[in-house]
Amino acid sequence: NAGVTQTPKFQVLKTGQSMTLQCAQDMNHEYMSWYRQDPGMGLRLIHYSVGAGITDQGEVPNGYNVSRSTTEDFPLRLLSAAPSQTSVYFCASRGRGSYEQYFGPGTRLTVT
Amino acid sequence: DQQVKQNSPSLSVQEGRISILNCDYTNSMFDYFLWYKKYPAEGPTFLISISSIKDKNEDGRFTVFLNKSAKHLSLHIVPSQPGDSAVYFCAARAGGATNKLIFGTGTLLAVQP
Repeated sequence: NAGVTQTPKFQVLKTGQSMTLQCAQDMNHEYMSWYRQDPGMGLRLIHYSVGAGITDQGEVPNGYNVSRSTTEDFPLRLLSAAPSQTSVYFCASRGRGSYEQYFGPGTRLTVT
Repeated sequence: DQQVKQNSPSLSVQEGRISILNCDYTNSMFDYFLWYKKYPAEGPTFLISISSIKDKNEDGRFTVFLNKSAKHLSLHIVPSQPGDSAVYFCAARAGGATNKLIFGTGTLLAVQP
């Protein structure tokens, strides 16, 4: 099992550019989430999904879109990158009936 | 509004001594609590958890205590080892159908040899 994988590991964008952060898991987990980690702010939930075709907003959803067309994949789209979106992004997944989330290794994004 | 708070950004402890990391929460509907450990350039990994119906859970060197009346939980590491140096996040389950986890801001633990 690869667990939760994220690509790319690093990305630099210019303000206004768009991009997609990829996340995939091979554990057949229903629940998937995207978090961002910023100094002094901990891990903040951006969007989450409780199953294929179902997504919802977390604490800080503005500027991001998600979709969940398959159980395995949960991409995060930045529509028009802003410097405030400079952060480390983590994808996580969890099986039904379990509280333990498994995290990917993260994507470090810099927006200039 | 931070529902899960870790008021100590950092903690330094000597090897072999006890490390105590604290976490406070505001929502009495939280029903499950978890601690995660994070090394630099890696994703957080699950460490230990506790249900709101218990007040203590132990796993080897790690023990989590929950005081529901005070809305406070703590993680004890005994004895502390240099490899324990990491950022520790506490998290609380929001309950309901979504099962969202709300994370604290993290505490950087440094265990000095």
